Amino acid sequence: GDSVTQMEGPVTLSEEAFLTINCTYTATGYPSLFWYVQYPGEGLQLLLKATKADDKGSNKGFEATYRKETTSFHLEKGSVQVSDSAVYFCALSDRNNFNKFYFGSGTKLNVKP
Amino acid sequence: DADVTQTPRNRITKTGKRIMLECSQTKGHDRMYWYRQDPGLGLRLIYYSFDVKDINKGEISDGYSVSRQAQAKFSLSLESAIPNQTALYFCATRGTEPNYGYTFGSGTRLTVV
Repeated sequence: GDSVTQMEGPVTLSEEAFLTINCTYTATGYPSLFWYVQYPGEGLQLLLKATKADDKGSNKGFEATYRKETTSFHLEKGSVQVSDSAVYFCALSDRNNFNKFYFGSGTKLNVKP
Repeated sequence: DADVTQTPRNRITKTGKRIMLECSQTKGHDRMYWYRQDPGLGLRLIYYSFDVKDINKGEISDGYSVSRQAQAKFSLSLESAIPNQTALYFCATRGTEPNYGYTFGSGTRLTVV
């Protein structure tokens, strides 16, 4: 079945470091891919999305490219800030079956000043 | 006002008690969901509803029930709370396009003692 696998955390970086959080997926159809962010004490917020192969989603300095050949959707940011400390979830939606929406287990990011 | 509002934000209850978590949304979407979040387990779907007359079990519905009182309201009940239901609970809504992600509430932190 469909699934999403994320790198385990926590990931600890210094401010202004480069961030990569790996996400790979398994899907039988043609999924849409998402990154959500959960700040402490809050619900999940949609960070970015991509709906077809080679699409790049971007928001708040974060980017992720839908790579069909490697079934990946890695999240990147060139220079992280302390305020980026949060838990990040990769997710996919099966466009052929709207009932199917899968979340990864989440990756906690700690950014130190 | 938030798009998805959950009440209460925090609740401590005793084993065996009945408790209801409430959710309302202003997005105008028909689809509403209840998720549970546990450390290291990511998000797990409890129940979902595609309209007032359409209620479906998710992957972990045992011990829970739901009521869809109106398009905008979807409540989750624990009929007889037990300690392993201690978790963070999220309500969410979603539009009808597969490319749309979820809009989440801020969550209810439930502790069963």
